[in-house]
Amino acid sequence: DAEITQSPRHKITETGRQVTLACHQTWNHNNMFWYRQDLGHGLRLIHYSYGVQDTNKGEVSDGYSVSRSNTEDLPLTLESAASSQTSVYFCASSAQLNQPQHFGDGTRLSIL
Amino acid sequence: DQQVKQNSPSLSVQEGRISILNCDYTNSMFDYFLWYKKYPAEGPTFLISISSIKDKNEDGRFTVFLNKSAKHLSLHIVPSQPGDSAVYFCAASGGEYGNDMRFGAGTRLTVKP
Repeated sequence: DAEITQSPRHKITETGRQVTLACHQTWNHNNMFWYRQDLGHGLRLIHYSYGVQDTNKGEVSDGYSVSRSNTEDLPLTLESAASSQTSVYFCASSAQLNQPQHFGDGTRLSIL
Repeated sequence: DQQVKQNSPSLSVQEGRISILNCDYTNSMFDYFLWYKKYPAEGPTFLISISSIKDKNEDGRFTVFLNKSAKHLSLHIVPSQPGDSAVYFCAASGGEYGNDMRFGAGTRLTVKP
């Protein structure tokens, strides 16, 4: 079965470190998204990609970057981790725009 | 500025009764609306959607209603079951946000046996 997997599921790191969260999907979807979930805010879009070599900033992109070198993967990088980036991060994909997105099970990131 | 609002953080209903979850939005250009369900330690899963050309969409026990003039949508679950206990997010896209989705903060539904 096709799926979308995120790794690691949990990570603890220190402020100032670079952190990369992995997202891999086997749906062969062109569209991939990264969200963060915080209490009182729901899910907020960080970055998204509509295909290989395409990346776009979302609502809360400061301090984050993504790259899309193939269809299956969209890694999210925190260049210099800050305590405000402690959150649960979700990756998602969709076949076409304005269609439901399939979500991974999330990465819980704690920055001390 | 939250474009999509779920003003009830939690809702508790008895098994077999109706659950009604509400969502309001501020951007009249949104044209596609969805509901997602989320269990602890899992990602959100798609439940039901509606486009702005409709005012109702049904899928089994789940019905979504859209009132464009009031910028309001609701999710009805009938009858409610204990397995429906989860956090429900509404989401919207369209307008200047294009295909970017804006999510509400979520409503935690508890269905008591």
